[in-house]
Amino acid sequence: KNEVEQSPQNLTAQEGEFITINCSYSVGISALHWLQQHPGGGIVSLFMLSSGKKKHGRLIATINIQEKHSSLHITASHPRDSAVYICAVPPGIQGAQKLVFGQGTRLTINP
Amino acid sequence: KAGVTQTPRYLIKTRGQQVTLSCSPISGHRSVSWYQQTPGQGLQFLFEYFSETQRNKGNFPGRFSGRQFSNSRSEMNVSTLELGDSALYLCASSQQGRGNTIYFGEGSWLTVV
Repeated sequence: KNEVEQSPQNLTAQEGEFITINCSYSVGISALHWLQQHPGGGIVSLFMLSSGKKKHGRLIATINIQEKHSSLHITASHPRDSAVYICAVPPGIQGAQKLVFGQGTRLTINP
Repeated sequence: KAGVTQTPRYLIKTRGQQVTLSCSPISGHRSVSWYQQTPGQGLQFLFEYFSETQRNKGNFPGRFSGRQFSNSRSEMNVSTLELGDSALYLCASSQQGRGNTIYFGEGSWLTVV
């Protein structure tokens, strides 16, 4: 079993729909990262959170440390949100950049 | 403020050769880490450097090595290339490494033939 599990692996939705991507992890962590990767490879860090909820524009990330679960929500989805979304955790306290990654969720938003 | 810069962006090498990839972090960032991304294994941590010292290392053979210079720029080297080393190699930087947002470069696409 992977230390970080994401669901769903693939998600196709219509423009305007509310999107939820889930991430569960099995190790103790100090923070969790949500990343976005567009075709071409570059990765953008969307959120780093250690508790509660963060919001940036149409994106919302939540985390429940006790349940070892995080969700990424996209409100009013748009075709430009089409990308791969990856959650990543730094196990333990060894170092914030020694990340373990989920397998990613490929999101496609159709107009 | 310039982002994380990786060079080269694309390269093709032959089995048995070696390759060096370069990463220039965001100005002021002292922590640099490297990751490998393949279709089969996904994203995997290679190593992390902070102030010229390797702070963490992933589960990769000794053919994979890296270093960081006094200006925080970093290089990674892969010797005796194998076909399985074909991957996207990503570099990321952050100010201190712990508890900071991580900024990724665009990556270096390596193809081994």
